[in-house]
Amino acid sequence: DQQVKQNSPSLSVQEGRISILNCDYTNSMFDYFLWYKKYPAEGPTFLISISSIKDKNEDGRFTVFLNKSAKHLSLHIVPSQPGDSAVYFCAASKTSYDKVIFGPGTSLSVIP
Amino acid sequence: DAGVIQSPRHEVTEMGQEVTLRCKPISGHNSLFWYRQTMMRGLELLIYFNNNVPIDDSGMPEDRFSAKMPNASFSTLKIQPSEPRDSAVYFCASSLGWGNEQFFGPGTRLTVL
Repeated sequence: DQQVKQNSPSLSVQEGRISILNCDYTNSMFDYFLWYKKYPAEGPTFLISISSIKDKNEDGRFTVFLNKSAKHLSLHIVPSQPGDSAVYFCAASKTSYDKVIFGPGTSLSVIP
Repeated sequence: DAGVIQSPRHEVTEMGQEVTLRCKPISGHNSLFWYRQTMMRGLELLIYFNNNVPIDDSGMPEDRFSAKMPNASFSTLKIQPSEPRDSAVYFCASSLGWGNEQFFGPGTRLTVL
């Protein structure tokens, strides 16, 4: 049973527009959430994280929103750039010191 | 630092053969993780070590899989015997302490014919 879900396998966005990647989770014990980005033939790289005491965390063009009641989080990229084209993994853990469960990933294509 | 180093980058083998994947974590990191990525199951945690000790191997699919970490700078993931369904990309990652900002290696693409 998949505890972290990313229901959109792929997403295409025009350069300069907003990209919104969604993630849902089922385990109410999850307390710490992360986004990783992966280019082809490379390993995933950490992008941004958020703990459950916050509902928003921002880092430059990247913002993660957390809605605990809905067990939903989203990653916003504004403005989107062609270099953002990659697979984005949502991940969750019960604490910041516990094993991480990854979602299946969403492939983002930013069209110039 | 060179980051997490994995070898080989690609491995093609025949069913029944033994496969050994290698990982050198980032110096100073004391947590090490082995993941497998497939189209069907995404990125799955197989096993993780803390201070060279296996902490959770519940993700290891079968007894054919084994992992060791003889010292802080080296780990292996072994599959014996290998089967076609083991074909996947295997990632090694390391982190400082239990922190979740894991640093991933480039992966080993395994093909079992």
